[in-house]
Amino acid sequence: EAQVTQNPRYLITVTGKKLTVTCSQNMNHEYMSWYRQDPGLGLRQIYYSMNVEVTDKGDVPEGYKVSRKEKRNFPLILESPSPNQTSLYFCASSLFSGTSAEQYFGPGTRLTVT
Amino acid sequence: GIQVEQSPPDLILQEGANSTLRCNFSDSVNNLQWFHQNPWGQLINLFYIPSGTKQNGRLSATTVATERYSLLYISSSQTTDSGVYFCAVTLAGGTSYGKLTFGQGTILTVHP
Repeated sequence: EAQVTQNPRYLITVTGKKLTVTCSQNMNHEYMSWYRQDPGLGLRQIYYSMNVEVTDKGDVPEGYKVSRKEKRNFPLILESPSPNQTSLYFCASSLFSGTSAEQYFGPGTRLTVT
Repeated sequence: GIQVEQSPPDLILQEGANSTLRCNFSDSVNNLQWFHQNPWGQLINLFYIPSGTKQNGRLSATTVATERYSLLYISSSQTTDSGVYFCAVTLAGGTSYGKLTFGQGTILTVHP
């Protein structure tokens, strides 16, 4: 089954404790992206990757890191989480060809930083 | 950066009604997508439509790139259409082809 998986689905942590949210896709997609969703602010892109070893900033990259060492994985790293990073996070992937960019989303990770 | 505005912010319909959602953007784009987020939070891509018209069942979308807007049409609405509809765009002409900016969304509620 074609899918994007994220882990963990729910996480409660404390300020400053490094964490990683994993994202994996089994569709051989070149493009992967991370978004956060906050009430009243909608969806905002954090980072994206056009291919292995190619990453770039979205609209809200501060406080986050990513890496793309393998095509299927795109982890999101919070080196020193703060309460303002409490949010719902989505990972997505896409072929992103010239004629199609349909994105497949993971189920979301709800993060609470206290 | 590019601005994306969606209207209306909220829409309440009776089952069977038709509706049109609008997405205006402030600059030329080379990527425009429509998404649906259901009441359980799941996000689903509806259309990739930087220009032209596409149809998928009861849903269709039209983007008039020269006038900087896109429309999402929902015909014969069903309760399962409820949720939030987002459009997202990428600014044309730059090197950030994968950078997406989202509108604030339209909250659609369909009553039986």
